[in-house]
Amino acid sequence: GENVEQHPSTLSVQEGDSAVIKCTYSDSASNYFPWYKQELGKGPQLIIDIRSNVGEKKDQRIAVTLNKTAKHFSLHITETQPEDSAVYFCAASFNSGGYQKVTFGIGTKLQVIP
Amino acid sequence: DSGVTQTPKHLITATGQRVTLRCSPRSGDLSVYWYQQSLDQGLQFLIQYYNGEERAKGNILERFSAQQFPDLHSELNLSSLELGDSALYFCASSALGTSGETQYFGPGTRLLVL
Repeated sequence: GENVEQHPSTLSVQEGDSAVIKCTYSDSASNYFPWYKQELGKGPQLIIDIRSNVGEKKDQRIAVTLNKTAKHFSLHITETQPEDSAVYFCAASFNSGGYQKVTFGIGTKLQVIP
Repeated sequence: DSGVTQTPKHLITATGQRVTLRCSPRSGDLSVYWYQQSLDQGLQFLIQYYNGEERAKGNILERFSAQQFPDLHSELNLSSLELGDSALYFCASSALGTSGETQYFGPGTRLLVL
């Protein structure tokens, strides 16, 4: 089955600096890669996603890159702010027998220090 | 607010007991997913339903079962509870349950087994 590895598990950055979280996946059938942010006491919330026919996607301070050949994708957050502090999950998804099979990474706890 | 609701928010029970967690998907979504989140395991996919029918199974124990009702709400039943079942249980929903769809997560139910 699909295996998604995510690192680092924890990341501390100074406010205003950039943060990068990296994920690798194993199944070449994966074609959809969402990123979720989970704040304390809440459920994961989608922040950005990328499909396999795109190499990069950007939304304000957040960007995601995908390298299909190497089977890895990354989340980049620029000009970090204290409210970016949360746990971030990457995921890889593909269709299997008509349903969506999603595998999540272990999560990265990001701390932005004011 | 994702539009997915889960009840109860917190649940404390004893080993050997049985509990039922409830989820209402976003309006219009036909597919419901259940996940277990524990500290050392990240988000583990348990089971998926689509329009009342089981669509896919993940790492769901035999002591656990779920169903989706005609009004599309779903219930996750956990029986013969063990200490290790203590975790956050999330429900997510998506429109059709196919790859590339955003999954919207509920706020979760925190289960503590004593």
